[in-house]
Amino acid sequence: GAVVSQHPSRVICKSGTSVKIECRSLDFQATTMFWYRQFPKQSLMLMATSNEGSKATYEQGVEKDKFLINHASLTLSTLTVTSAHPEDSSFYICSARKTGYVTEAFFGQGTRLTVV
Amino acid sequence: AQSVTQLDSQVPVFEEAPVELRCNYSSSVSVYLFWYVQYPNQGLQLLLKYLSGSTLVKGINGFEAEFNKSQTSFHLRKPSVHISDTAEYFCAVSERNAGNMLTFGGGTRLMVKP
Repeated sequence: GAVVSQHPSRVICKSGTSVKIECRSLDFQATTMFWYRQFPKQSLMLMATSNEGSKATYEQGVEKDKFLINHASLTLSTLTVTSAHPEDSSFYICSARKTGYVTEAFFGQGTRLTVV
Repeated sequence: AQSVTQLDSQVPVFEEAPVELRCNYSSSVSVYLFWYVQYPNQGLQLLLKYLSGSTLVKGINGFEAEFNKSQTSFHLRKPSVHISDTAEYFCAVSERNAGNMLTFGGGTRLMVKP
């Protein structure tokens, strides 16, 4: 159990368009999901914490209008990169925490976004 | 606020040799500690975690780590590495009252050579 699926795994889009990335917990309910960004050869940087049924909490320096997060159900959170630019190209990873469990989060396989 | 330092960005080692990947953390409160492995273009897989109890934690793939509170360290070890262990390894910490908000170290690239 505890599988988190991210879709798509890779996406290429044109500058100015929007891209939606989905994060699903397949076999458990996740009240809280986290979105990370990872630049090449660097660590993961937390972008925002997504709570089911409420607004996401964004980390300092992350534009909430640029990176729209929706957590409409206990198994799905989405990250939409709006008006994408080449500098938004990165590896985006989500993780999900089982409802009631605070000691571990499970990670998706990541999404490689390339903006051309 | 907590922080995590992985002292080595790259660790080259020959196959079947032992390896230690170092991790130090700082926090003003009690923490949970984790080690994750990341293969190219993939997400993170949990290797092991320390929550409480015994300071020596055994994980998957033959890895283990020891929590040392006085030195605020959580070094990862494996007695004999394989080529397939080549990957990026991340140490992470979460404060016990922070709802599993993880702070990651910079990562250590383990390169196992034949």
